[in-house]
Amino acid sequence: QKEVEQNSGPLSVPEGAIASLNCTYSDRGSQSFFWYRQYSGKSPELIMSIYSNGDKEDGRFTAQLNKASQYVSLLIRDSQPSDSATYLCAVNMLPTGNQFYFGTGTSLTVIP
Amino acid sequence: DAGVTQSPTHLIKTRGQQVTLRCSPKSGHDTVSWYQQALGQGPQFIFQYYEEEERQRGNFPDRFSGHQFPNYSSELNVNALLLGDSALYLCASSAGGARSSPLHFGNGTRLTVT
Repeated sequence: QKEVEQNSGPLSVPEGAIASLNCTYSDRGSQSFFWYRQYSGKSPELIMSIYSNGDKEDGRFTAQLNKASQYVSLLIRDSQPSDSATYLCAVNMLPTGNQFYFGTGTSLTVIP
Repeated sequence: DAGVTQSPTHLIKTRGQQVTLRCSPKSGHDTVSWYQQALGQGPQFIFQYYEEEERQRGNFPDRFSGHQFPNYSSELNVNALLLGDSALYLCASSAGGARSSPLHFGNGTRLTVT
């Protein structure tokens, strides 16, 4: 069974703090990893992609990947109320195909 | 640069009816994937179309079928609708040649089955 697991939350952080979102996946052969943000009633929006072990930074967002531990995380620095949304972890489990598996998402609330 | 467009945005159908949802991919993308997202859940993969053929399929019954046209647009058809088919249906496009290409989602179609 291929699974992507996330803590559903809700996660609450004060404005300006660091929000840490975590995701584990079951298929050791997975090759590419993505974080999506989804506002209530809207469609998922791509935030970050990461393919190699280590950290990848883009503005206030940092994705971290550890393939040995089958773990991927997203850090949001200087959290803003506009960051309040559900964050979805997606894993493309190659070589079985270009098929993305999503976690159930972590709900983040940034308190002003 | 047009993103992924889906139609209609909302749809109400009666149990047992059939529905067709439509999707146009982002400019430059040739692969279309369809996802079902129930309330409070992550998107669930239905199937993916590339070069007008179904390339991958998730764990959905044959009531769910699709098609891709030469211009890369796609349709999702659901027959014999059940109450449990009520969900947000998301179309996502990507560049098929790069298997690790990220998905770009449309705004979705909210289907309600009564």
